[in-house]
Amino acid sequence: RKEVEQDPGPFNVPEGATVAFNCTYSNSASQSFFWYRQDCRKEPKLLMSVYSSGNEDGRFTAQLNRASQYISLLIRDSKLSDSATYLCVVNLLLGGYNKLIFGAGTRLAVHP
Amino acid sequence: NAGVTQTPKFQVLKTGQSMTLQCAQDMNHEYMSWYRQDPGMGLRLIHYSVGAGITDQGEVPNGYNVSRSTTEDFPLRLLSAAPSQTSVYFCASSRQGGPTEAFFGQGTRLTVV
Repeated sequence: RKEVEQDPGPFNVPEGATVAFNCTYSNSASQSFFWYRQDCRKEPKLLMSVYSSGNEDGRFTAQLNRASQYISLLIRDSKLSDSATYLCVVNLLLGGYNKLIFGAGTRLAVHP
Repeated sequence: NAGVTQTPKFQVLKTGQSMTLQCAQDMNHEYMSWYRQDPGMGLRLIHYSVGAGITDQGEVPNGYNVSRSTTEDFPLRLLSAAPSQTSVYFCASSRQGGPTEAFFGQGTRLTVV
């Protein structure tokens, strides 16, 4: 079983739609959580951190459920520019050092 | 702001050739790592380093060597290239300690024929 699992998609949605991505992780020792965005043929970049209480950044809302080992990302009012792959990332503290584990990503395509 | 600089951006190798992918960061980050990204597989950790002189293996280390002689540089060496090493390689750096953002280089697209 992969340490971080995501639905690969693609999610094809019209502009203005609300779309939600889910992610599960297997290691209960995971310390912190992130969503990264990766545009086609580009490097991943941090979209937002995910906090236990849930957090929002404009049209983006991230939620964490530690008991279920589940992370979500909600995008409201989708824009064409949101088209990208969204990577779920967990940070493990192993041997005193942080190690980032990436999911395979969920692809989003927003169409006019 | 240079951030993480990775070279080359593209490379074609013949089976059996060796090469070094370069990675340098100017943010004084302790932690540096190399990933490979293949379709449907996500980013897989090859090797990582928590500081100068300290390296360790990640998930898929076979066929690759690393060294960390300075805080800034973390080169990845392919000893004898194989077609299975055709992939996109990313170098990343981050601070150690606590939740931390990873900054990535622009990637190297490597094809082994």
